[in-house]
Amino acid sequence: DIQLTQSPSTLSASVGDRVTITCRASQSVRDWLAWYQQKPGKAPQLLIYRASNLESGVPSRFSGRGSGTEFTLTISSLQPDDFATYYCQHSDSYPISFGGGTKVEIK
Amino acid sequence: EVQLEESGGGLVQPGGSLRLSCAASGLTFSRHWMAWVRQPPGKGLEWVANIKPDGSEKFYVDSVKGRFTISRDSAQNSLYLQMNSLRAEDTAVYYCARIPGADSYFDFWGQGTLVTVSS
Repeated sequence: DIQLTQSPSTLSASVGDRVTITCRASQSVRDWLAWYQQKPGKAPQLLIYRASNLESGVPSRFSGRGSGTEFTLTISSLQPDDFATYYCQHSDSYPISFGGGTKVEIK
Repeated sequence: EVQLEESGGGLVQPGGSLRLSCAASGLTFSRHWMAWVRQPPGKGLEWVANIKPDGSEKFYVDSVKGRFTISRDSAQNSLYLQMNSLRAEDTAVYYCARIPGADSYFDFWGQGTLVTVSS
């Protein structure tokens, strides 16, 4: 089974900061990786699919890069609405799995 | 507008059963793979199961194999999760989610339904 490890687990940042979250896979997932944002009490929302494709309606300050085993999600200029928890997810093979999450907090 | 609405959650004793439903609207349900994803209170996301559009293929996480069954009814635009032999560790919010195409990521999610397994 493929394990996804996100770092950091918690990130403190200020509005306007550039923020990068890393997701590492225990083996290659090619580019079958997605990123989600989740706010408390709400369902996750898709941000990025196939490693670098921005989902429709998602602000362009979000971007994804990577392939194989190392991936990043970058928020170019953190906005108040972006304080949330972020998850990566692979779909290279079954079982599908998610990373443990990165909570982005207000500094 | 795509809408997914889960129902059927509640409190159940260990060893008991529960059937979750997900009513879909605003999409061509019969064309999409669908999935269940769960989230224990205060913890991360866990994929549970996927089902092919015609129901002929199903995949499960190991921890629910033999206990949970995913199914669908395209005439009713509904997705189901039959959960048997429930354990405390199955306590979670259960989400149904749409898979947009060949890649198994999830582009639309329901609001979730809470399942609590406790005596």
